[in-house]
Amino acid sequence: GAVVSQHPSWVICKSGTSVKIECRSLDFQATTMFWYRQFPKQSLMLMATSNEGSKATYEQGVEKDKFLINHASLTLSTLTVTSAHPEDSSFYICSACSLRGGEQYFGPGTRLTVT
Amino acid sequence: AQSVTQLDSHVSVSEGTPVLLRCNYSSSYSPSLFWYVQHPNKGLQLLLKYTSAATLVKGINGFEAEFKKSETSFHLTKPSAHMSDAAEYFCAALSGGYNKLIFGAGTRLAVHP
Repeated sequence: GAVVSQHPSWVICKSGTSVKIECRSLDFQATTMFWYRQFPKQSLMLMATSNEGSKATYEQGVEKDKFLINHASLTLSTLTVTSAHPEDSSFYICSACSLRGGEQYFGPGTRLTVT
Repeated sequence: AQSVTQLDSHVSVSEGTPVLLRCNYSSSYSPSLFWYVQHPNKGLQLLLKYTSAATLVKGINGFEAEFKKSETSFHLTKPSAHMSDAAEYFCAALSGGYNKLIFGAGTRLAVHP
């Protein structure tokens, strides 16, 4: 149980375009989902916390207009990278918390490359 | 503020020898602590967690960790390394009432034949 999926697993896009990444909890309901960014050989950096039905809370230094987060249901959160630039190339990982407790279950990640 | 420090960025061991990955935390209260493993281009897999129960925590794949409050440590150990253990390992602490995970910088474990 407690499976989190991400789609797509990898994406290549041109500079200036927007990319949407989906995070789904497959077998549980998640009131809270988290979005992380990971640069090569570095740790995970929390970008934002997404609560179902409300606006996401962004960490300091993360541009909310560039990284749009929507958490419209208890099983789906989306991260849209708007007007992507090469410096946005990174590994994006989501995690989800079940209703019953605080443990986070991680998705497999999405590799974004902006050319 | 909470912080997590992984003392070694790289650890290299021979197959069959013990593994020790070190983690120290700073917190004004008893934290919840986690160890995760990440294989290349994959998400994180939970190895084990400490949540104020037994101080010696057993996890998957033969890993265990001991919470030592006096040393503010939560080191990860395994008696005998396997080639498949080669990966990146992250120690993390749960941040107070915000349910946020604070990650250490990670330790890359290499296992040699």
